Amino acid sequence: DAGVIQSPRHEVTEMGQEVTLRCKPISGHNSLFWYRQTMMRGLELLIYFNNNVPIDDSGMPEDRFSAKMPNASFSTLKIQPSEPRDSAVYFCASSLKSLAVYNEQFFGPGTRLTVL
Amino acid sequence: SQQGEEDPQALSIQEGENATMNCSYKTSINNLQWYRQNSGRGLVHLILIRSNEREKHSGRLRVTLDTSKKSSSLLITASRAADTASYFCATDVNYQLIWGAGTKLIIKP
Repeated sequence: DAGVIQSPRHEVTEMGQEVTLRCKPISGHNSLFWYRQTMMRGLELLIYFNNNVPIDDSGMPEDRFSAKMPNASFSTLKIQPSEPRDSAVYFCASSLKSLAVYNEQFFGPGTRLTVL
Repeated sequence: SQQGEEDPQALSIQEGENATMNCSYKTSINNLQWYRQNSGRGLVHLILIRSNEREKHSGRLRVTLDTSKKSSSLLITASRAADTASYFCATDVNYQLIWGAGTKLIIKP
């Protein structure tokens, strides 16, 4: 298996522009997680999906952020409009998860976002 | 302090020495997981230890869990330059996976 695939790997955009990050989880995994990592705030869970349904989006910073998972093999994280403080590395991870227990998560390589 | 807090924040040792990192948490857990992150890369799962387990091994890694003290330790024996990375613990508690801030480990040649 190729592992979790994220695209793009790097994104540089200007403030106010829309940014879309993409993720393909490992085939057969039923849970998908979006994280943001910065030096100041560390690793933050933004949202996670179980069987394509958003379960916990309490970490989504504000209405400018939205995430979708139209099917088991694809998810997007969109920021509109983007702001300089959104600059971070965004990770997608997938897992086989039961309702009550978190198992091993497999992380993608991340998307490094820079908003100028 | 937050759930899943690692200690120390940074650790620098000579190659060949053992490295020990600790993770403390506040509430009862289902399991505790350790991950490694090399610079500029995604996190990689190392070991998962369940609340009813006390010790697990994987190669040069040894993880212990003391639920009475609400703490875990990760021991890396005979460290190598390639072990230079940040190490995170994550605790599975109350339908959440809570991440610590990580320990930055530097192995000096």
